[in-house]
Amino acid sequence: SYELTQPPSMSVSPGQTANIPCSGEALPKQYAYWFQQKPGQAPLLVMSKDTERPSGIPERFSGSTSGTTVTLTITGVQAEDEADYYCQSADSSATHPVIFGGGTKLTVL
Amino acid sequence: QVQLVQSGPAVERPWASIKISCTTSGYIFGNYMIHWVRQAPGQRPEWMGSIHTGNGATRYSQFFHDRTTFSRDKSANTAYMELSGLRSEDTATYYCARRYCDSTSCPLDYWGQGTRLTVSS
Repeated sequence: SYELTQPPSMSVSPGQTANIPCSGEALPKQYAYWFQQKPGQAPLLVMSKDTERPSGIPERFSGSTSGTTVTLTITGVQAEDEADYYCQSADSSATHPVIFGGGTKLTVL
Repeated sequence: QVQLVQSGPAVERPWASIKISCTTSGYIFGNYMIHWVRQAPGQRPEWMGSIHTGNGATRYSQFFHDRTTFSRDKSANTAYMELSGLRSEDTATYYCARRYCDSTSCPLDYWGQGTRLTVSS
């Protein structure tokens, strides 16, 4: 079955840049979305359609895509950015229209 | 403002059923689909399916289609997810989320707060 692959964890110091990758064979054909999830909270959409930042999301969040990999970049990481980050997309035929990556736990040192 | 408010936490016995509600406000209910996603402790979110709140059309994940029923009450701006034949593996937080269209061109942009379900004898 189709999968989206993310590194399970990542650590950065405040003020540094975090690049969180997500890879999947169908990503050249399907949009990707990114969600931030803090403990006990619902997922929050932080990036839409690969590179579009929703209203209210800080400018330090950006998205990019290259081939079968999409990347969420947080420039100038702040302590409040510590969370789990999930990419979400679909398989190439949209038989499975909503698939989540395994998540990346971002730790701010 | 857009809000999706779900029913409260529940503890159920194995083989029981549960019906979770998702009451919406701040937008035109029938213009958006409602998707249901569950997340077991420490696991990634898992898509269960969706309902078109306008025409009632449903779509179920292959992993849940035999135990899950989606419905909606347009007069109450509320969507429902019923899960039957509960087992311990169904212990999870269940979320509703809205989506404008039935393609990956539209995001799951607003989510309910989640309903925690514990299945235990």
